[in-house]
Amino acid sequence: QVQLQQSGPGLVKPSQTLSLTCAISGDSVSSNSAAWNWIRQSPSRGLEWLGRTYYRSKWYNDYAVSVKSRITINPDTSKNQFSLQLNSVTPEDTAVYYCARFYGEIVGAYFDYWGQGTLVTVSS
Amino acid sequence: AIQMTQSPSSLSASVGDRVTITCRASQGIRNDLGWYQQKPGKAPKLLIYAASSLQSGVPSRFSGSGSGTDFTLTISSLQPEDFATYYCLQDYNYLTFGGGTKVEIK
Repeated sequence: QVQLQQSGPGLVKPSQTLSLTCAISGDSVSSNSAAWNWIRQSPSRGLEWLGRTYYRSKWYNDYAVSVKSRITINPDTSKNQFSLQLNSVTPEDTAVYYCARFYGEIVGAYFDYWGQGTLVTVSS
Repeated sequence: AIQMTQSPSSLSASVGDRVTITCRASQGIRNDLGWYQQKPGKAPKLLIYAASSLQSGVPSRFSGSGSGTDFTLTISSLQPEDFATYYCLQDYNYLTFGGGTKVEIK
């Protein structure tokens, strides 16, 4: 059974950096079948995929165009976790942030495990 | 970036009704589409992957169809526990969610 445990502050000041971590149990961040993702959800933007990190003989990162200039997702193999950093935040970045595993099989791929969600509010 | 247009954005239905939700991609995505159900305060739950494959443990009243640009999620007989918000997700090129369909009690 895979479990994803999120941690990080729920309040960030405007212009500062939002940082969250997702600790993985029951799988490896270096898995060749999974990608490790960050997604956020707000009433105004709905569900928004932010980016992912995954290992296929080497590490890859992909980011959504909407946040590409401000986002970094890093794997940490020593702790079996991955992190999200979003720079220069504004109140528009206020949302519930989720980490999730995207698992790929021959027949298809899908999100099957999610973190508990973290409400991050951007406010001074 | 691929856009996913989901319709309707909300609907009212009664227990036992047949419900259909559609998703249209801005370009062809083969069958690289999933459907998710979300209830308030919870993470989305996978229902259908690869457009028409039912996830293990999901009731057979849920079905998906489509390929290319047009996709459909059907609930054959709506149950009380099905009142929720439904999202499509394309994974052909990066990942994009549809805008969601809230299914409410009539």
